[in-house]
Amino acid sequence: TQLLEQSPQFLSIQEGENLTVYCNSSSVFSSLQWYRQEPGEGPVLLVTVVTGGEVKKLKRLTFQFGDARKDSSLHITAAQPGDTGLYLCAGAPSGYSTLTFGKGTMLLVSP
Amino acid sequence: GAVVSQHPSWVICKSGTSVKIECRSLDFQATTMFWYRQFPKQSLMLMATSNEGSKATYEQGVEKDKFLINHASLTLSTLTVTSAHPEDSSFYICSARDPQHNINYEQYFGPGTRLTVT
Repeated sequence: TQLLEQSPQFLSIQEGENLTVYCNSSSVFSSLQWYRQEPGEGPVLLVTVVTGGEVKKLKRLTFQFGDARKDSSLHITAAQPGDTGLYLCAGAPSGYSTLTFGKGTMLLVSP
Repeated sequence: GAVVSQHPSWVICKSGTSVKIECRSLDFQATTMFWYRQFPKQSLMLMATSNEGSKATYEQGVEKDKFLINHASLTLSTLTVTSAHPEDSSFYICSARDPQHNINYEQYFGPGTRLTVT
């Protein structure tokens, strides 16, 4: 059973388009993190959301944590080829100290 | 800050030999490090949690005698793949927690090591 479900698994879009990636769970998380991984590299932490309903912005990326702290979304505005990569959500369920990762969303942005 | 390095970045070895991968936290002391394995186009699979000065905690299904983990100092953890076989070929990634930025269990990842066993 996958604790964190990410959708879509794969997304191929044109430069300039908007997109949203979802991370859902039936469990409550004290926080959720989003990472981006480029081919052949390790994941890089983008953001941590902690408070239910929280919205964080990182340039063209907007991250939201669900009110019940069971889900999160990542919205990219005007995607660019440099946004290409594997986006992973991760979190430690309440009471646990080890991160669990979603299966990831592979984003390909074509010029 | 929070930089993690891995060495080597890629390695090719013959079946039956052993390979050691190093993971270092460069600008912080990491009491806890993690080792992951990643197959192409898939997410990270946690192999083990490495605690400085104590035995590693392995995830279910990961062979302790095959994947030896040593965390002898606060800045270095090593993963040794013993008697490697072609099915051990994979991308191995380590990560570490920075105690000063650990409220939400954030991890900082190394760049990964590509292992190919021929």
